[in-house]
Amino acid sequence: QSVLSQPPSASGTPGQRVTISCSGSSSNIGSNSANWYQQLPGAAPKLLIYGNSQRPSGVRDRFSGSKSATSASLAITGLQPEDEADYYCAAWDDSRGGWVFGGGTKLTVL
Amino acid sequence: EVQVLESGGGLRQPGGSLRLSCEGFGFSFNSYAMSWVRQAPGKGLEWVSGISGNGDRTHYADSVKGRFTISRDKSKDKVYLQMNSLRGEDTAFYYCTRSPYTHAWYWFDHWGQGTLAIVSS
Repeated sequence: QSVLSQPPSASGTPGQRVTISCSGSSSNIGSNSANWYQQLPGAAPKLLIYGNSQRPSGVRDRFSGSKSATSASLAITGLQPEDEADYYCAAWDDSRGGWVFGGGTKLTVL
Repeated sequence: EVQVLESGGGLRQPGGSLRLSCEGFGFSFNSYAMSWVRQAPGKGLEWVSGISGNGDRTHYADSVKGRFTISRDKSKDKVYLQMNSLRGEDTAFYYCTRSPYTHAWYWFDHWGQGTLAIVSS
């Protein structure tokens, strides 16, 4: 059972907007930044959002992140077939002295 | 171009040992924290261990504390994960990751392709 809670699956049609939630606690998301990783099928994970809402160079502005209290969200607008992937949230946990991940959300583009 | 490259995966029996290596390219290796994140086949991501840029601080997940040791060799631009007392649940792809600063509590901005460790009799 993961420390951060994500829905196991999400779906949408091309062009739609999809959001993925990530729920944590005061020791992780509540006191540190939320970060998101995208893992395409058969590939290594890749940083998608850092510092709650920052995009690394090369990440399309269709991807955005937000944080409120002990929860974070990833939004994908203008959904495209190539967005079909697993998405993970992560945060440093002060109580554990290490990183915690969500269980991952499998995004299907219908 | 920043790259990290893992090596050392393989098959071991329960109770055995394995040492994973990770080499960094295209950046000043000793200025950045490095971590290991693993993924059991078909499962999610699990952080394993991290080390600061100068090697003075190490962090471990409870699931590996006392069995795994992370270290780095400044002269070789490498970080290692020594895995002892291996268990079946340690079977996973092990990814080497870089953080953008010297402390391990920053996000992972670069990932390697992973190396597979299998623990089975």
